[in-house]
Amino acid sequence: NAGVTQTPKFQVLKTGQSMTLQCAQDMNHNSMYWYRQDPGMGLRLIYYSASEGTTDKGEVPNGYNVSRLNKREFSLRLESAAPSQTSVYFCASSEAVQGNNQPQHFGDGTRLSIL
Amino acid sequence: GDSVTQMEGPVTLSEEAFLTINCTYTATGYPSLFWYVQYPGEGLQLLLKATKADDKGSNKGFEATYRKETTSFHLEKGSVQVSDSAVYFCASNFNKFYFGSGTKLNVKP
Repeated sequence: NAGVTQTPKFQVLKTGQSMTLQCAQDMNHNSMYWYRQDPGMGLRLIYYSASEGTTDKGEVPNGYNVSRLNKREFSLRLESAAPSQTSVYFCASSEAVQGNNQPQHFGDGTRLSIL
Repeated sequence: GDSVTQMEGPVTLSEEAFLTINCTYTATGYPSLFWYVQYPGEGLQLLLKATKADDKGSNKGFEATYRKETTSFHLEKGSVQVSDSAVYFCASNFNKFYFGSGTKLNVKP
């Protein structure tokens, strides 16, 4: 009953360091997403993958890269971390991006602080 | 374009009070509609959903009815508990997923 699993749960980085956030889902979903949530704010879409082998930019892609490693896994990479990227990062998955009445399922988040 | 708008918070209520959190949507078609709940330090959990006009989603005492004529999907609960304190997000899906900005609910004993 795992659903969407994110690792790590917490991380502290120094400015300029790189890091990859991992996400895996076990629901055989086609679509996966990365969001960031800043204090007192809603979700902002960073990147998404409609299906295995495809990725697309969301609302705030600058400073990030993604890889859809296979149908289960979708990673988010910060090449050179900046304090403005301090946030809580959520991965989500769904059966499809559009035209489907099924919801997105979310992981528990990665809390990232950049000093 | 498509969007979801929900009432700003925080909303502060006393235990056993009636709750309404407003949500309206714009869409080029007829989207599916969802309410999510986020407890402190956790991810978003699906609370309820409705997939067509006049559908009523319900779960844990919460209800929301898909109103096509007013393009609304307001969340209601008849008697809130302290344990309902959380952030609530309205969302729609037609050609993409759209999330509202979230409404924080504080319930005081």
